[in-house]
Amino acid sequence: AQSVTQLGSHVSVSEGALVLLRCNYSSSVPPYLFWYVQYPNQGLQLLLKYTSAATLVKGINGFEAEFKKSETSFHLTKPSAHMSDAAEYFCAVSGPGSSNTGKLIFGQGTTLQVKP
Amino acid sequence: DSGVTQTPKHLITATGQRVTLRCSPRSGDLSVYWYQQSLDQGLQFLIQYYNGEERAKGNILERFSAQQFPDLHSELNLSSLELGDSALYFCASSDGITSYNEQFFGPGTRLTVL
Repeated sequence: AQSVTQLGSHVSVSEGALVLLRCNYSSSVPPYLFWYVQYPNQGLQLLLKYTSAATLVKGINGFEAEFKKSETSFHLTKPSAHMSDAAEYFCAVSGPGSSNTGKLIFGQGTTLQVKP
Repeated sequence: DSGVTQTPKHLITATGQRVTLRCSPRSGDLSVYWYQQSLDQGLQFLIQYYNGEERAKGNILERFSAQQFPDLHSELNLSSLELGDSALYFCASSDGITSYNEQFFGPGTRLTVL
């Protein structure tokens, strides 16, 4: 069965510092991987996705993530944090092996705090 | 604005009651998904419909049911409500069947069961 683990439920960085949010997955087949962002009182918005093309994926708002099969990881990074990046971030897994459906399995989420 | 609309925005009801949550997908999207977000369970997939037919089922309780109508809007029915059903319920839509197709999320319906 597929699963996702996000390391750290809360991450705090200073404005301008590197953002690193960690995600490890478990899947018996090559997965699709996603990062979503949820701002307060809003729905989820897709930041980026990996679907077995390039292992380094660039997304919106300056975020990127690297798929590392050997480490079963898909960590999200941004070189320089902005105050507007403060939100909750979710890693999700799905895959070609999921019986041809759109089912997403989400991690528990990481709240990113950005300090001035 | 994702283009996915959900009504109502907030719902407060009592245990044992039944409620209906409504979702209108983005224009042209054939898939509708329902997710539940709660403090103890996190964000969980409930069910997917594609063009009116059930496509995938997750951890959806037997007290919950959903359907997608010919105009592609969807309703999630929750009955015999319990305190633990209090959560944020999201609808999402996509133009395809699989997770390869981006899912666009609505703003959610916050359900409070008293």
